[in-house]
Amino acid sequence: GAGVSQSPSNKVTEKGKDVELRCDPISGHTALYWYRQSLGQGLEFLIYFQGNSAPDKSGLPSDRFSAERTGGSVSTLTIQRTQQEDSAVYLCASSSGTGPGSPLHFGNGTRLTVT
Amino acid sequence: AQSVAQPEDQVNVAEGNPLTVKCTYSVSGNPYLFWYVQYPNRGLQFLLKYITGDNLVKGSYGFEAEFNKSQTSFHLKKPSALVSDSALYFCAVSRLGSARQLTFGSGTQLTVLP
Repeated sequence: GAGVSQSPSNKVTEKGKDVELRCDPISGHTALYWYRQSLGQGLEFLIYFQGNSAPDKSGLPSDRFSAERTGGSVSTLTIQRTQQEDSAVYLCASSSGTGPGSPLHFGNGTRLTVT
Repeated sequence: AQSVAQPEDQVNVAEGNPLTVKCTYSVSGNPYLFWYVQYPNRGLQFLLKYITGDNLVKGSYGFEAEFNKSQTSFHLKKPSALVSDSALYFCAVSRLGSARQLTFGSGTQLTVLP
């Protein structure tokens, strides 16, 4: 079946512009995550959606970052007034379970380059 | 708080030799432990997990990992490495009641030399 789909796969933008990154999770998965992976770094948690509950936004690095999940499915991560330090690969993942033992299914990521 | 340490940024091993990628963790309560693999320009793929039960867990592609509670470790192993195993490996931990679920280590780049 279809996996987690992210678009665009690559995005180059100028400093100060806004960008939107999209994630289509696996159908029926209630949990959705956004992570950031910088060169040579591990995965940095950004935000977590679970069903209709309020999202866990505790990983967002600044108020320039926001995310929403419409209809419990597609999610959009928005970065306003992009800075060069925002350059990274942004990974989306979804999970079918609500418990901590459920594996995450990752998309291939969006590589964001801010010039 | 929970954390994961992968002490080696890079591991090199000859094809056919056994490989070990190290991981130690810190978490309150019982841990849920995972290994993920990332191939170039791809997202992470789930390899295996430990929840409870047998300390030796078998996963995809011939990999296995051993949970050691006293040493708080969850090292990834494979008896005979393949060149195609070359990738970036991430260890992760979560615990019951953690809404954020997974905390990842910084990753270990495994290179299997032909």
